[in-house]
Amino acid sequence: SQTIHQWPATLVQPVGSPLSLECTVEGTSNPNLYWYRQAAGRGLQLLFYSVGIGQISSEVPQNLSASRPQDRQFILSSKKLLLSDSGFYLCAWSIGTGGKLFFGSGTQLSVL
Amino acid sequence: KQEVTQIPAALSVPEGENLVLNCSFTDSAIYNLQWFRQDPGKGLTSLLLIQSSQREQTSGRLNASLDKSSGRSTLYIAASQPGDSATYLCAVSRGGGSNYKLTFGKGTLLTVNP
Repeated sequence: SQTIHQWPATLVQPVGSPLSLECTVEGTSNPNLYWYRQAAGRGLQLLFYSVGIGQISSEVPQNLSASRPQDRQFILSSKKLLLSDSGFYLCAWSIGTGGKLFFGSGTQLSVL
Repeated sequence: KQEVTQIPAALSVPEGENLVLNCSFTDSAIYNLQWFRQDPGKGLTSLLLIQSSQREQTSGRLNASLDKSSGRSTLYIAASQPGDSATYLCAVSRGGGSNYKLTFGKGTLLTVNP
């Protein structure tokens, strides 16, 4: 069966520090991968998605970047965090054609 | 740009009641629609997926309907239980494959009181 792992669960970082969140998927090949952010009082916002290794599409201009170094690994990064980067970050995957979206357990990021 | 709206934002009902959650979307050219459940501080769990050619999907006490032409979907929960308390979100995608990207509503916070 397929599983998705996302870590860490909680992260507190000072403004200006770097960020690296990692997500891995097991039990499937060539998934579509997604990074979403959920801010307090707002809906889920799609940040990045990837349909293959090294293929990254950015949905909104921002202080973050994403990479997909392996088929089932998706990384969200920042060189210098801003206060506005605080939020609940969720990784997700779907089969390549598009079907149910499966989410990780999320990372609560607080930038202070 | 696709916009998804969910009404009501919050709903409180007594245990055992049947209830309906509403979702509307502005662009009817969708690929599919999904309903999700989110518990506090957790990730989302997909409940039901309706393809654009379908009218409804059922899973246990849950039934989701889709009226694509009017841009509406409903999630019907029968015989609600306290364990159903959660935030329910709907999401639509315009395309499949490399264009498979979901746009979410802000959700309905459901509380089922024992």
